[in-house]
Amino acid sequence: EVQLVETGGGLVKPGGSLRLSCAAVGLTFRGARLNWVRQAPGKGLEWVSSISHSSSHIYYIDSVKGRFTISRDNAQNSVYLQMNSLRAEDTGVYYCTRDGSFGMDVWGQGTTVSVSS
Amino acid sequence: AIQMTQSPSSLSASVGDTVTISCRASQGIRNDLGWYQQKPGKAPKLLIFAASTLHSGVPSRFTGSGSDTDFTLTISGLQPEDFATYYCLQDYDYPFTFGQGTKLEIK
Repeated sequence: EVQLVETGGGLVKPGGSLRLSCAAVGLTFRGARLNWVRQAPGKGLEWVSSISHSSSHIYYIDSVKGRFTISRDNAQNSVYLQMNSLRAEDTGVYYCTRDGSFGMDVWGQGTTVSVSS
Repeated sequence: AIQMTQSPSSLSASVGDTVTISCRASQGIRNDLGWYQQKPGKAPKLLIFAASTLHSGVPSRFTGSGSDTDFTLTISGLQPEDFATYYCLQDYDYPFTFGQGTKLEIK
């Protein structure tokens, strides 16, 4: 089965850190841009970050710049999101997505991040 | 950042109806727009990319149209499984931005 599997979510205090991982099963990341998209409870979708195939192009939404770092390991078919200085407003479900220039065609099941004291 | 204004925010319809959802970009985005369907507790699914190209396996009752700033998603002959929330997404420029979503409910 073709899927992306996210891990690493959890409950963390404000100012804490988490590292999300996303592994591909049954598909390749080769040539694909990878993204993280999040969804706060009861809210809409929000793009967070993208990384190109070679990691040469990386982008973030302004609200996470300087706090989050996206990276990938093509040999391991994995993408990561290091999240530091977490805030309450970072709470939500985080999805990794594959984007082969034809839309975000594969999504993970999501991992939940809760930032609360 | 490019703003995507999606309307309506909610919509009630019956099985068999045809509905239209709109997205307007705050600046031209060529045809770099996708439509996504999300059901409660599930990850979104790609329906349409490049404004009008149907993603593999998506029923033909879903059609997308538009370019530049104005886009529409039309669902013809609603089926029970189509009741969900729909989002547009521009991937023309960073930061990518989603519309606010349209919740399609059964009348």
